[in-house]
This record gives sequence, C-alpha cells and structure tokens, in this order.
Amino acid sequence: DIQVTQSPSTLSASVGDRVTLTCRTSETVYNRVAWYQQRPGKAPKLLIDDASRLQSGVPSRFSGRGYATEFSLTIISLQPDDFATYYCQQYGTYSLTFGGGTKVEI
Amino acid sequence: QVQLQESGPGLVKPSETLSLTCSVSGYSISSGNYWCWIRQAPGKGLEWIGCTHQNGNIYYNPSLQSRVTLSIDPSDNQFSLGLTSVTAADTAVFFCARGGSVSRFDFWGQGILVTVSS
Repeated sequence: DIQVTQSPSTLSASVGDRVTLTCRTSETVYNRVAWYQQRPGKAPKLLIDDASRLQSGVPSRFSGRGYATEFSLTIISLQPDDFATYYCQQYGTYSLTFGGGTKVEI
Repeated sequence: QVQLQESGPGLVKPSETLSLTCSVSGYSISSGNYWCWIRQAPGKGLEWIGCTHQNGNIYYNPSLQSRVTLSIDPSDNQFSLGLTSVTAADTAVFFCARGGSVSRFDFWGQGILVTVSS
C-alpha cells in the first residue's frame, strides 16, 4: 500500500491567517490526490481533486498543488468555517489510502 | 442532487457479521461510477474499505478483503457492505460514498455508527 503522511497533525491559527497543510506519499501518485474537509460529526467534503482542481462551490481561498509525492493545501485568509480537520487521499493505485489528517484549530 | 443514506444495526456482537445498506437518491447507480465504503474509528482517521461497480468490478482494501463482501442492487438503487467476524476494533462510523472511478469520493452519506459489543 502507498502510505500517506500529513503534517502537521495539528495547526493552530487565527481568522485571517494563511495556512499550508502538507501531504506526502510513499510512492509517486502523479497528480492523483484529493483533499477533504471534515467538521465534527459530519461526513468529509471533497474540496480538491487531481491535486489542484477546486470542486464546484468550494471557496477560492482554498488551493492545492503538488505532483509525484509532495502535495499541499493552502487556505488564504482563514474563515471561522475553515476550522476543521483536513484529509488528503491518494488514488494513484486501486488501493486507496488516506493521510492521518491535519486539525486546524483556533 | 445526489444523496446517500446508510442504514443498518447500530450494535453488532463480536464474531458476528456487520451488514449495512446505502440507499442512493437523485442519481442512478446504473449510470456508472463506483460505490464505496469508508469507515472512521472514534477519534481516528478515515479508512477505505472497498468499492463496487454494477459491471461487477470490485476493489478492496487488502487489509480487510478477507472479511468484506460488497454488493450492488440497481433495481433498488442500493449497495451493501458485509463485514464478517467483527471485533471491537471494527467499531466505527461507516460512510458510503460515490467514487468517480476507483478514485476520490464526491458525494457521501452522513455516516452510521456501528458499535461492536456483547
């Protein structure tokens, strides 16, 4: 299986901050990475797929980049709704794996 | 709008089989796509279980494959998960989701908590 490592596990930030979350895969997955936001007690929400394609309805303050084994999710100007846990997921093979998540907290 | 809803027992005894169904509305599962299950143990991250397609293709998490059964019922627009020989370690919120292919998940159910306990 391809291992997915996210860092940091927790990130403390304030409203208006710019934050960058990192995701690394143990093998190349090309651009086959998705990012999800999960609020407590809710299902994950797909934000970005193919490393950088923003999903319809997702605010433009979210952006993704990366290729091969190194990926990142950036949120410019954090809003109160953005305090949540973010997961990356690789789909470079038919055995899908998620990272352990980054909790963005106040 | 695609909507998914999990259903099934919230409590399963150790060594028994966990069975869940996902009902899909707003989209025909015969239209294509993979239909998938993901779980999340309390306070933990997400774990992919597997995906099935109406064409018969099924992909499993290798660590769970020996205990997992996935099926799809286009006539009822539902798909199902079976997990055998459960233990307390299988206690989790189980989500059903739509996959573009065996890839990322764009629509999710709200999740159902299944507790394994005697």
